[in-house]
Amino acid sequence: KNEVEQSPQNLTAQEGEFITINCSYSVGISALHWLQQHPGGGIVSLFMLSSGKKKHGRLIATINIQEKHSSLHITASHPRDSAVYICAVRSQGGSEKLVFGKGTKLTVNP
Amino acid sequence: GAVVSQHPSWVICKSGTSVKIECRSLDFQATTMFWYRQFPKQSLMLMATSNEGSKATYEQGVEKDKFLINHASLTLSTLTVTSAHPEDSSFYICSARPQGRYNEQFFGPGTRLTVL
Repeated sequence: KNEVEQSPQNLTAQEGEFITINCSYSVGISALHWLQQHPGGGIVSLFMLSSGKKKHGRLIATINIQEKHSSLHITASHPRDSAVYICAVRSQGGSEKLVFGKGTKLTVNP
Repeated sequence: GAVVSQHPSWVICKSGTSVKIECRSLDFQATTMFWYRQFPKQSLMLMATSNEGSKATYEQGVEKDKFLINHASLTLSTLTVTSAHPEDSSFYICSARPQGRYNEQFFGPGTRLTVL
């Protein structure tokens, strides 16, 4: 079993819909990252969380440390949001390595 | 702020040649940089961790003599794929951890390597 599990693997939505992508992890963490990867490959760091909630524009990320779960929400989705969204965690205990989920491919249709 | 660049963005080379990829932190100093490889439809796999001024730490299964990493300054790390073969064709991505900001990593745009 992966240390980091994302759901769903694939998600298709209509423009304007509210999107939720989930990430569950099995280890104690010091930080969780949400990343966006567009076709063509470039990766953008969206959020780094260790507790609570962060908001940037139409994107909201939440984390529940006790439940080992994080969600990424996109409000008023747009076709340009189409990308792969990746959850990555940094374990407690000093290692700087990130453990990555397999990603959620989001397609937003006009 | 916190921009990481990679050069080149893509490269095509012949089998047996060596290719150097640069990773630069443009507006911050990075004591640690990470090199990842991503095959199609797969997630990122960490290849090595490089700390400025010291030898890189390679992940299990990654040949250090094939993937040479140099982190000579706080803003530049290089990955050289030596004697490249078609199976080395992949997307190579670096990330950089800002000095003093232990939990953060900022990713470069990646370099697509195709070995003919």
